[in-house]
Amino acid sequence: QVQLQESGPGLVKPSETLSLTCSVSGYSISSGHYWGWIRQPPGKGLEWIANIYHSGSTYYNPSLRSRVTISVDTSKNQLSLKLTSVTAADTAVYYCARLMVRQFDPWGQGTLVTVSS
Amino acid sequence: NFMLTQPHSVSESPGKTVTISCTRSSGSIASNYVQWYQQRPGSSPTTVIYEYDQRPSGVPDRFSGSIDSSSNSASLTIFGLKTEDEADYYCQSYDNSNWVFGGGTKLTVL
Repeated sequence: QVQLQESGPGLVKPSETLSLTCSVSGYSISSGHYWGWIRQPPGKGLEWIANIYHSGSTYYNPSLRSRVTISVDTSKNQLSLKLTSVTAADTAVYYCARLMVRQFDPWGQGTLVTVSS
Repeated sequence: NFMLTQPHSVSESPGKTVTISCTRSSGSIASNYVQWYQQRPGSSPTTVIYEYDQRPSGVPDRFSGSIDSSSNSASLTIFGLKTEDEADYYCQSYDNSNWVFGGGTKLTVL
């Protein structure tokens, strides 16, 4: 079965760059589907960040586009997220997920990233 | 871009039926599929409805999805509520290469 696992620093300083990796097991990213990142600030709702296809085709949330880069490494079966110039508002649980045409499924367990000095 | 608006919270008793609405701010609700996710405390979201009214395998048939073009909204109905249904529920759709989530509805079963 497909499993996703996010990893990365749990604490990032303001103005720095947040970098996360999502390792996929049980399915080859190269086989198809889009893959995405979604975040959830503590106690708040879900916000879509970006999607990427194994070929590199990307879609970004317009409100975050200027600060976000999503990428995929098919040799490692991983996708990555970079978010620049972070502020406290970027504190959230970050999820990666497979986009099954319409729905995001499955999701990783999520990783909490706190932006603080 | 459009928004999806959900009630902040709903509550109902075990065994009863509850409906959660998701209203699209612009564009037709019928133009792009709507999905529903359940998120229990401390867990990742899971799909309970996709493509308006389809249930993934393993989701009980107590969960039902529909749309109402007259109100430009989608709805998630849960029949025969169980305490285990207590969770946050999010609707999600997309348009113009932009994926949008509703703000979420906290369902309390008491």
